[in-house]
Amino acid sequence: AQKITQTQPGMFVQEKEAVTLDCTYDTSDQSYGLFWYKQPSSGEMIFLIYQGSYDEQNATEGRYSLNFQKARKSANLVISASQLGDSAMYFCAMREDYGGSQGNLIFGKGTKLSVKP
Amino acid sequence: DGGITQSPKYLFRKEGQNVTLSCEQNLNHDAMYWYRQDPGQGLRLIYYSQIVNDFQKGDIAEGYSVSREKKESFPLTVTSAQKNPTAFYLCASSHAVKGSYNSPLHFGNGTRLTVT
Repeated sequence: AQKITQTQPGMFVQEKEAVTLDCTYDTSDQSYGLFWYKQPSSGEMIFLIYQGSYDEQNATEGRYSLNFQKARKSANLVISASQLGDSAMYFCAMREDYGGSQGNLIFGKGTKLSVKP
Repeated sequence: DGGITQSPKYLFRKEGQNVTLSCEQNLNHDAMYWYRQDPGQGLRLIYYSQIVNDFQKGDIAEGYSVSREKKESFPLTVTSAQKNPTAFYLCASSHAVKGSYNSPLHFGNGTRLTVT
């Protein structure tokens, strides 16, 4: 079974609008971390935001926020005020403390976001 | 500035040749990783290392080999046994693998390998 599911292969958003990228995860660990990465066409992986399983508040980093719903096992990324430079692939990822992944980072298949001027 | 350096950015090889991809980090991280990315796909773990002189297979280790003789370096060799070696390869590092679930991985800029 997939541990990280991103159901949106591609998304379009108008410049200056907000967009939500979906991510659901599967783990039986109590301790885990959820991460979002951005990958522009140049290929580098840029770390955006982190949410810990024990964090009660949703994480925020500038225009990025993470809508964490633990009971539903979802960790959606919200980008506010989209910019043309936000066009990229976005990956949701998880690190479990002890689970079958041995503490390694597991990635979803990604969502390609295109920002329209 | 601290970071991860992968070289070269582009690599071309003939089928049947082994090729080694370089990865160096100066972040003083204990753990290092190699991922493979195919077009339009997520990242899949090839090998990882938690400490010097120790490494473990990831999900797709067949046809690859690694070494970890120094903390800063984790080279990946793509051998002729790898059936589909053409891909984008990303190296990463972090604090220790286990017990560091809140620690992000930091990535290099990747090496695009083409084998013909």
